[in-house]
Amino acid sequence: QIVLTQSPAIMSASLGEEITLTCSASSSVSYMHWYQQKSGTSPKLLIYSTSNLASGVPSRFSGSGSGTFYSLTISSVEAEDAADYYCHQWSSYRTFGGGTKLEIK
Amino acid sequence: EVKLVESGGGLVQPGGSLRLSCATSGFTFTDYYMSWVRQPPGKALEWLGFIRNKANGYTTEYSASVKGRFTISRDNSQSILYLQMNTLRAEDSATYYCARDGGGNYAMDYWGQGTSVTVSS
Repeated sequence: QIVLTQSPAIMSASLGEEITLTCSASSSVSYMHWYQQKSGTSPKLLIYSTSNLASGVPSRFSGSGSGTFYSLTISSVEAEDAADYYCHQWSSYRTFGGGTKLEIK
Repeated sequence: EVKLVESGGGLVQPGGSLRLSCATSGFTFTDYYMSWVRQPPGKALEWLGFIRNKANGYTTEYSASVKGRFTISRDNSQSILYLQMNTLRAEDSATYYCARDGGGNYAMDYWGQGTSVTVSS
């Protein structure tokens, strides 16, 4: 089973700041998905197949990566981006990372 | 509009069983894989398993943590997904989500609101 390790576990960012969340896989995977989960709600697809924005997702979000290292970047953090973010792979069954909590200063 | 609505959660004793349902609408149910994902309070998401679509024979796959105890099935005539959970343990306490799963390289693009399961005596 492929293990996904997300860093950092908690990130504190200021409004307007550019941030990058990372996801490291224990073995090479073909693609990575990212989900956003706001407090008390179900997960929402954010980015699919590494770099494609899901419908309705603002363009300040972007994804990249390959092999065992993937990242999610928010170009200019807004207050509504406060949430937990999870990476997810399906190259070998499906597994999620442990999540990164984004806090807004 | 795609909708997924879970039901069937509640309080169950250790060793007991529970069946969750996920009623769907707004898409051609048989075209899609369907997954179950759970989230213990304050913890990360955990994929439990999926059932494939019609084109792939409605076969199932499970994570190691629930294989042999949990069974995923689907009623294609009513567009309902099920999760039968047996021999429940305290560590199975979580919010359970169903999700539309594109299968293969595709993401889980729609999720239900979740249903809470508590395993306790």
